[in-house]
This record gives sequence, structure tokens and C-alpha cells, in this order.
Amino acid sequence: QVQLVQSGAEVKKPGSSVKVSCKASGGTFSRYTISWVRQAPGQGLEWMGGIIPISGTANYAQKFQGRVTITADKSTSTAYMELSSLRSEDTAVYYCCRVPAVMDAFDIWGQGTMVTVSS
Amino acid sequence: DIQMTQSPSSLSASVGDRVTITCRASQSISNYLNWYRQKPGKAPKLLIYAASSLQSGVPSRFSGSGSGTDFTLTISSLQPEDFATYYCQQSYSTPRTFGQGTRLDIK
Repeated sequence: QVQLVQSGAEVKKPGSSVKVSCKASGGTFSRYTISWVRQAPGQGLEWMGGIIPISGTANYAQKFQGRVTITADKSTSTAYMELSSLRSEDTAVYYCCRVPAVMDAFDIWGQGTMVTVSS
Repeated sequence: DIQMTQSPSSLSASVGDRVTITCRASQSISNYLNWYRQKPGKAPKLLIYAASSLQSGVPSRFSGSGSGTDFTLTISSLQPEDFATYYCQQSYSTPRTFGQGTRLDIK
């Protein structure tokens, strides 16, 4: 069974960047889309963007355009989400999730990575 | 962006109850609607995709219906593990958007 394993919690200063990784194990990585969804404390879910690893094509929510970069390394079955110019409002749990082509839904989720932005 | 609105925002129920949660889209999304359950401190779990298809391994007490702009998630007989927050999500267009969530508490 495929699992998505994310990197550990981060504490960052305002204005800096964070890069979160998401490694797929137990299955084929490239045939799916990998999306990133975040959740601020006590809040709902917010889609940030996604990537098709086999082509490297990424798309982003307008809200994050210019600040987020999603990449994928097929050789290691790992996706990355880098968010720059961090501010306190970016404090959240960041999830990666898989989107199978046959089912346009987030069917497998990583465990989440807590990113805290604080001076 | 397509806005997703869930109702109610919260509800209280008992084990064994039948509950229904509603999700409305700001424009027609055909059947591109998914439902998730999220327990505190955990990642969401996919329950229903394409409005009415039960995800593999999900108990049959969960069902979904609807098309166009109005959708429902029904839990036929609540179990203790169902007390959680539920989200709908549209996959019709980018950006993907979620409802604000429905918190289901024990009465």
C-alpha cells in the first residue's frame, strides 16, 4: 500500500522560506498528481497547488502564485513544496496528498508537517 | 473560484443516529464532489468521490448523493469513530476548494 511520508516540523522566521518533502513508498509515484493542502490551526483545508511528477508540470492556487514552488524528483519518488516570504499567517499543518487519474480526489494523505512562523 | 458552503457548521448526535450533511457549490460542478472525514490531529480521509462512489475500505453506512450544485453526505448509523469534522471538496476546476467543515459532536 502506498504511503506518503513527510519531513518533520519546522520553525521559521518571518521573511524566510521553508521546504517540505513528501516521499512515496510502496507504489508507483509518477502516475499520479501530488497536491499540497494546508490547514491553519483550528481552520479548514486550503489547496495550494499540485504537480504531475511524470511531466514535472505544476499548477498553483492564485493566492500563492509567486511564493510557492512545487517540484518532484522521480528518481527518489519525492515531492517538495517550498514556500517563501513566510509570514505568521503561514503557520499551519502542510499535507501532501495523492490524486489518482481515475478518481479526481485526494485518496492518500501524508501525515502532515507543522510549520510555525514566529519571530 | 468556486465557493463551497456546508450546512450545518456543527451538529450534535448520538451513536446509532442517522445524520445528513449538505454541501452547496456556487456554480454547477456536475458530480465532481468529494467528501472527507478528519479526526483531531489527523490527516483527512477520503470517504466518497464523484459525489456518490464509496472509497475502497470505507464502511457502507456512508453514502453520498447529488449533482449540479447540491450534494449530501449521509451516515446511516453513527459509530463512535464518526464524531469528527467533515469536509466537502470540488474537483471541477482549479483552484480546488473545500467547504468550511461540519463538526459532528456527541450529544
